[in-house]
Amino acid sequence: TQLLEQSPQFLSIQEGENLTVYCNSSSVFSSLQWYRQEPGEGPVLLVTVVTGGEVKKLKRLTFQFGDARKDSSLHITAAQPGDTGLYLCAGAQGAGGTSYGKLTFGQGTILTVHP
Amino acid sequence: DAGVIQSPRHEVTEMGQEVTLRCKPISGHDYLFWYRQTMMRGLELLIYFNNNVPIDDSGMPEDRFSAKMPNASFSTLKIQPSEPRDSAVYFCASSTTGGVFSNQPQHFGDGTRLSIL
Repeated sequence: TQLLEQSPQFLSIQEGENLTVYCNSSSVFSSLQWYRQEPGEGPVLLVTVVTGGEVKKLKRLTFQFGDARKDSSLHITAAQPGDTGLYLCAGAQGAGGTSYGKLTFGQGTILTVHP
Repeated sequence: DAGVIQSPRHEVTEMGQEVTLRCKPISGHDYLFWYRQTMMRGLELLIYFNNNVPIDDSGMPEDRFSAKMPNASFSTLKIQPSEPRDSAVYFCASSTTGGVFSNQPQHFGDGTRLSIL
């Protein structure tokens, strides 16, 4: 069974601070996706990383896929109240894998950014 | 384009009653997923379909849970009989077959908040 561990589970910070969320596994994934979920809504995709060592930026958000494709991180610079939400990482197997099409989700990180 | 549509948005019912949750995936998507989300257990995959065929139902907690996909535009998740511990938010998601590395992203509905009294 593939598992993804996210840390921290809860993060409460002030506007303008930086933060990093980690997603770790003992399993190798073909790709890893990050989602953000707001109350009363379903998760929405932020980014997909595919190549080991890949770094992607989305405005103030920086996503990195570990070299061995077992871990990933999300770094937010100068957090704003609008960044508040639940952040989920999800690992995917590639074509040929027995679980192709299925995502393994981490437990999530609840981020609260105070004005 | 319309996203994934789930109904009802909220359901409150008494223990022992049958509950049916409905999902309309995005047109053209060939994968459909049912998830359950709770604070304690996070987002759990219950079952998923590819081209209307169930592929993996290992996440279905008990025989009280069943899911069907009679056609490409409709799926149901049924709980019979329902129990208080089934209370959770149930999400449906759909996606298309992607490239070698993974599928295209999953598009989630807004969920059904289920409360069993």
